Amino acid sequence: DTAVSQTPKYLVTQMGNDKSIKCEQNLGHDTMYWYKQDSKKFLKIMFSYNNKELIINETVPNRFSPKSPDKAHLNLHINSLELGDSAVYFCASSTTRNTEAFFGQGTRLTVV
Amino acid sequence: SQQGEEDPQALSIQEGENATMNCSYKTSINNLQWYRQNSGRGLVHLILIRSNEREKHSGRLRVTLDTSKKSSSLLITASRAADTASYFCATGGNQGGKLIFGQGTELSVKP
Repeated sequence: DTAVSQTPKYLVTQMGNDKSIKCEQNLGHDTMYWYKQDSKKFLKIMFSYNNKELIINETVPNRFSPKSPDKAHLNLHINSLELGDSAVYFCASSTTRNTEAFFGQGTRLTVV
Repeated sequence: SQQGEEDPQALSIQEGENATMNCSYKTSINNLQWYRQNSGRGLVHLILIRSNEREKHSGRLRVTLDTSKKSSSLLITASRAADTASYFCATGGNQGGKLIFGQGTELSVKP
């Protein structure tokens, strides 16, 4: 059984479009995250949610809007996509803060 | 902000050799974690060492932590071709529970 699943795995879209990435975890974790990995493999946190409540918003452009309908889901919506948004986006979850995180397989977003 | 720096950035060894990767960080931590990322895949948690621990073992992995030097090392003994991956350190205990990742070390183990 997949613990943290993201869809889609690949996303190719044109500049200016709006797209969403979905994430679900079946681990019963309270905390979920979105990370962005750039072309140099540098991983940077974007958002953190704890029990559906936004905890961290790391100076991410407001074109990015996370939504957590329940504590098992954390979706990421991106408006007006730009070339610089091309990256791999990872969803992750953990039991509480400061414990090991379980990562999804990633969504490779390419903006053309 | 980026917390950790890892070295080397890339490491190439023969199967059976040991691989050592180092990580340095800047602020106080609650714990330090190591993750592995195979090409095109997500990160997999390997081991967590708490700030009051100095050494931890898990199978062929040995992690050390020196909080006075703000550094950690990951040793993989008797490496295998399947260990080829990128390895990241991440510090925990930050605001909101976020993990702050280092730049990663790309390990290549040749058969």
